[in-house]
Amino acid sequence: EAGVVQSPRYKIIEKKQPVAFWCNPISGHNTLYWYRQNLGQGPELLIRYENEEAVDDSQLPKDRFSAERLKGVDSTLKIQPAELGDSAVYLCASSLGGTNTEAFFGQGTRLTVV
Amino acid sequence: DQQVKQNSPSLSVQEGRISILNCDYTNSMFDYFLWYKKYPAEGPTFLISISSIKDKNEDGRFTVFLNKSAKHLSLHIVPSQPGDSAVYFCAARRRGSQGNLIFGKGTKLSVKP
Repeated sequence: EAGVVQSPRYKIIEKKQPVAFWCNPISGHNTLYWYRQNLGQGPELLIRYENEEAVDDSQLPKDRFSAERLKGVDSTLKIQPAELGDSAVYLCASSLGGTNTEAFFGQGTRLTVV
Repeated sequence: DQQVKQNSPSLSVQEGRISILNCDYTNSMFDYFLWYKKYPAEGPTFLISISSIKDKNEDGRFTVFLNKSAKHLSLHIVPSQPGDSAVYFCAARRRGSQGNLIFGKGTKLSVKP
């Protein structure tokens, strides 16, 4: 069974440019998460979806970050414009939802803003 | 303010011996705890979990212990193998928050042959 798929694996952009990340969760997983992991830190939640609804986006910097999950399957996370401090690994995860909390992570996208 | 703390950035253990990774938390509303393992250039992989109604959960070489009064949990790996070398993250879920996980900073485990 395929796991969580993310693309691209790596992205280098200049500051003020836009960037987008894509995630395909495990089939049948209703809950999708986007996490950001800074160097030397643990992952921090940006947004959580239940099907196509964003149920927790309190940690998402809404002035420059946006996300969508059309049809409740794939998701994209966008940053516009990117800043130097956005350099991090962006992780997508999915879970069955409900009380099942075990989240399965993708390999992540390493973003470098120069 | 860190709610989940892993105070040891690194740990080195000899192959065959026990590895003990520690995690402390401050929020008494946490009701579910998980350990994830992460290899370089890969995403975290779920390892083992424990509900706050239990004090121990075992899965093969991995055992997690929970001491609620001390707000402390630990992951024991016995026996340790070189393939266990990775960064281990402790994570916690707050009661009623569904799947939102709060992670510690991680402990890098090195198992030497």
